[in-house]
Amino acid sequence: DAGVTQSPTHLIKTRGQQVTLRCSPKSGHDTVSWYQQALGQGPQFIFQYYEEEERQRGNFPDRFSGHQFPNYSSELNVNALLLGDSALYLCASRKRDYNEQFFGPGTRLTVL
Amino acid sequence: DAKTTQPNSMESNEEEPVHLPCNHSTISGTDYIHWYRQLPSQGPEYVIHGLTSNVNNRMASLAIAEDRKSSTLILHRATLRDAAVYYCILRGINEKLTFGTGTRLTIIP
Repeated sequence: DAGVTQSPTHLIKTRGQQVTLRCSPKSGHDTVSWYQQALGQGPQFIFQYYEEEERQRGNFPDRFSGHQFPNYSSELNVNALLLGDSALYLCASRKRDYNEQFFGPGTRLTVL
Repeated sequence: DAKTTQPNSMESNEEEPVHLPCNHSTISGTDYIHWYRQLPSQGPEYVIHGLTSNVNNRMASLAIAEDRKSSTLILHRATLRDAAVYYCILRGINEKLTFGTGTRLTIIP
């Protein structure tokens, strides 16, 4: 079992650009969440997807959007990048109604 | 979201037990108590969770106070690999995880 995988590992963008990050959940998992982790801080919840719909959303602007595909994989899109969007972006998956959540290794995004 | 309070940092000697405290005085009846840890340069890792009763698994034990306003994560025999940031989180079923700043655990060889 590969666990949660994320791509790419690292990414460098410039202000104003758009970025797409990808996540494949652990086998058997149907719920995917995305988190942003700034340096020295705990992860902050962005949103959660289940059955291809956004189910919960954290305090993030509309520049952050996502998608879940029929195979449960997910994308996180960020438009009009700001310097403050530089962070580690984490994807987590679980089975619906289960407590344990599995995190991927993250994508390190640097905005210059 | 119900809040948790943890010490910013703790130190422990290798091969000794470690008790990591967490206060959550505003916990609701449906909140589960979760512990995750994050090793350097990795995503968070699930450690354990509980609702009312004490819980044990291969990684750790979770001791929950009778009034559920506090809990303690117990690592029975710390190793260098246990050095990490430990997060105590309250979460209702299917709800998001709200991370605080956690406790940075340092293991002294």
